[in-house]
Amino acid sequence: DQQVKQNSPSLSVQEGRISILNCDYTNSMFDYFLWYKKYPAEGPTFLISISSIKDKNEDGRFTVFLNKSAKHLSLHIVPSQPGDSAVYFCAARVAYSGAGSYQLTFGKGTKLSVIP
Amino acid sequence: DTGVSQNPRHKITKRGQNVTFRCDPISEHNRLYWYRQTLGQGPEFLTYFQNEAQLEKSRLLSDRFSAERPKGSFSTLEIQRTEQGDSAMYLCASSFISGGGADTQYFGPGTRLTVL
Repeated sequence: DQQVKQNSPSLSVQEGRISILNCDYTNSMFDYFLWYKKYPAEGPTFLISISSIKDKNEDGRFTVFLNKSAKHLSLHIVPSQPGDSAVYFCAARVAYSGAGSYQLTFGKGTKLSVIP
Repeated sequence: DTGVSQNPRHKITKRGQNVTFRCDPISEHNRLYWYRQTLGQGPEFLTYFQNEAQLEKSRLLSDRFSAERPKGSFSTLEIQRTEQGDSAMYLCASSFISGGGADTQYFGPGTRLTVL
């Protein structure tokens, strides 16, 4: 049972336009969400995160929105650039007190292609 | 370069052989995680260490797998009697956590294992 779902395997966007990547989750215990970008043959690179007490976090061209009632988050990239072409993973974490592991649960990823 | 490093980057082995991977985390990071990623999937949690203590293991980590983090610095992941199903990218991540704060995991480039 996938607790983090990225239902779009791929997305193509024109350079300069907005890219919107979506992520749904089922575990209501998730309290911290992250987006990672991954190029082929490299490890995931951290992009941006959001705590469950917020509904929006912005960092330069990247904005993450969280809708807790819908168990949905999205990553907006504006404007999109060809260098943004990569696989984007949504990840979530359950909060534990004390020595909790904070292991991340990942979606399967969305491949973004930004067309010049 | 002060990021997470992993060695080797690629490993090809024959079924039944033992392999060992190394991860050097970002210095002063007290948490170290191992994940496995197969084609078309997101990374899946295997195990994690806080300092030198291994605090959690996933059910994915069969008894053929063992991980260590002596002295709370680098970590090794050993797979004994490799099987073709072990072929995957093995990712290491590290983070610093203090108290109950949120930690961001930073990933290394991974070790790609191919079992023939």
